[in-house]
Amino acid sequence: GAGVSQTPSNKVTEKGKYVELRCDPISGHTALYWYRQSLGQGPEFLIYFQGTGAADDSGLPNDRFFAVRPEGSVSTLKIQRTERGDSAVYLCASSLRSGTGGGSSYGYTFGSGTRLTVV
Amino acid sequence: QQQVKQSPQSLIVQKGGISIINCAYENTAFDYFPWYQQFPGKGPALLIAIRPDVSEKKEGRFTISFNKSAKQFSLHIMDSQPGDSATYFCAARGFGTSGSRLTFGEGTQLTVNP
Repeated sequence: GAGVSQTPSNKVTEKGKYVELRCDPISGHTALYWYRQSLGQGPEFLIYFQGTGAADDSGLPNDRFFAVRPEGSVSTLKIQRTERGDSAVYLCASSLRSGTGGGSSYGYTFGSGTRLTVV
Repeated sequence: QQQVKQSPQSLIVQKGGISIINCAYENTAFDYFPWYQQFPGKGPALLIAIRPDVSEKKEGRFTISFNKSAKQFSLHIMDSQPGDSATYFCAARGFGTSGSRLTFGEGTQLTVNP
């Protein structure tokens, strides 16, 4: 597709339930990122994939959070035993490449996010 | 410390005026400083970015000024328009294994009155 697609756009779940959030990056983008944005805050890094592997998962808040990207394209963020504090917008972004370059191929394209509400 | 501080939290400007948003960082290993614009219900969109070896970058009505010694950078929006009303985030990218991992500021909600 032309942009980064995230589904669902909204998800309401009960405390303690399991949820999966999906991200379809721009075709050909090798780098994929998950961020979490709480109300009135800037996005916070969760995890970064280069291809199929998680190159950096240091932003995941605890072991209830897990993400996969089995074929190097679509990624799924999985949250177990959801808590009310997990409520936020979960943003996915992709870029053609990652690293220390400053050209346009290193720039992120964000999806519109999944708004997760845990009640 | 991986932190970027942004101010003001909110800003109201008249149409045609100049909007100025400031950011400060602590980590000297940051190597790339983008600004993002976010409309309600949408993800952040890249507006303009600068590398630390450049003191100013201009693209249309948007200018980044960068002061490496002070570890500060700012976004100037000239001739502000009501359509510029959005939340703006500064960000900084660090080195290391995190690829292009970004650290974002807290955001500035800009309102441009007609």
